[in-house]
Amino acid sequence: KNEVEQSPQNLTAQEGEFITINCSYSVGISALHWLQQHPGGGIVSLFMLSSGKKKHGRLIATINIQEKHSSLHITASHPRDSAVYICAVRSWANFGNEKLTFGTGTRLTIIP
Amino acid sequence: DTGVSQNPRHKITKRGQNVTFRCDPISEHNRLYWYRQTLGQGPEFLTYFQNEAQLEKSRLLSDRFSAERPKGSFSTLEIQRTEQGDSAMYLCASSLTGGFRGYTFGSGTRLTVV
Repeated sequence: KNEVEQSPQNLTAQEGEFITINCSYSVGISALHWLQQHPGGGIVSLFMLSSGKKKHGRLIATINIQEKHSSLHITASHPRDSAVYICAVRSWANFGNEKLTFGTGTRLTIIP
Repeated sequence: DTGVSQNPRHKITKRGQNVTFRCDPISEHNRLYWYRQTLGQGPEFLTYFQNEAQLEKSRLLSDRFSAERPKGSFSTLEIQRTEQGDSAMYLCASSLTGGFRGYTFGSGTRLTVV
């Protein structure tokens, strides 16, 4: 079992729909990242969370430390949101080096 | 600042050849990380540097792999005697020590071994 599990693996939705991507992890963490990866490989950091909730534009990220779970929400989804969304954690074991452990990603496709 | 720069973006090489990739981190970042991502998977940690010191290497990094950061600025990742299983996206990231500040990824180098 991977330390970081994401669901769903693939998600297709109509433009305008509310999107939720889930991330569960099995280790104690000091931080969780949500990342976006477009075709071609470049990764963009969307959020870094250690507790609570963060919002940026149409994106909202939440984390529940006790339940070891985080969600990424996209409101009013748009075709340009189509990408792979990756959850990554910094475990307490890696507190000194800030090494990340990644989920396998959720491929999101928004249809116009 | 232009962010984290990786070169080349794509590399196609024949099995058995050596390849070298370069990563230029954000200038004030003292930490630099290399990750490898195979198709359909999340990135996996390979190694990281704090300044010029290589502080950790993953067991994924076989003897054919070597990474350097000679002056604490840019880094190179060399793969000797490439194998088809080395085909992957090689990602570089940099950050400032302490508190996960400014963790920034490059666009990656996609290696195809034929």
